[in-house]
Amino acid sequence: AQSVTQLGSHVSVSEGALVLLRCNYSSSVPPYLFWYVQYPNQGLQLLLKYTTGATLVKGINGFEAEFKKSETSFHLTKPSAHMSDAAEYFCAVSDRANTGNQFYFGTGTSLTVIP
Amino acid sequence: ETGVTQSPTHLIKTRGQQVTLRCSSQSGHNTVSWYQQALGQGPQFIFQYYREEENGRGNFPPRFSGLQFPNYSSELNVNALELDDSALYLCASSLGALGGSEAFFGQGTRLTVV
Repeated sequence: AQSVTQLGSHVSVSEGALVLLRCNYSSSVPPYLFWYVQYPNQGLQLLLKYTTGATLVKGINGFEAEFKKSETSFHLTKPSAHMSDAAEYFCAVSDRANTGNQFYFGTGTSLTVIP
Repeated sequence: ETGVTQSPTHLIKTRGQQVTLRCSSQSGHNTVSWYQQALGQGPQFIFQYYREEENGRGNFPPRFSGLQFPNYSSELNVNALELDDSALYLCASSLGALGGSEAFFGQGTRLTVV
């Protein structure tokens, strides 16, 4: 089964500072890669995904992520944090070998933005 | 286009009881997946239905069961509730069950077992 590791369960940044949320996956065959955001008492919203092609993926709200096969990583970044970015962020993978699109999620990173 | 809707939003059950959670998938989506999200954890895959057939199951006991209806809405049933079943239950729908398909999540049902 897939395994996803998110380093840092809590990350704090100042408003306007760079946001970097880390994600590593375990499989030898690169899976499909996703980042989801969850606001309090809400479901998950897709930020961006990598399936194939260009390894730098741009998503909504100014977020982007880069797939690095050699590092088995898919870190999420945003150049300048906004107060509205405060939320829980989940990295998820979907196994290319499966016929289904079930996701394996990391344990999440809570982002706090300091004014 | 309506999104994924789940009902109820909250409920409280007693240990040993049974519960049914409901999900209406996004218009046009034929695949529904259910996830359990315990407090402070990432969602865990329970099972997936594609065109009314189970299409994958996670590491959950048989007392977790489901259905998908011809209109692609779905139910999650949990029998003999345990305290550890307390969690946010998320439904996700997608168009097709191929890997890489984007999943759209509902707001979840918060289940508390006392």
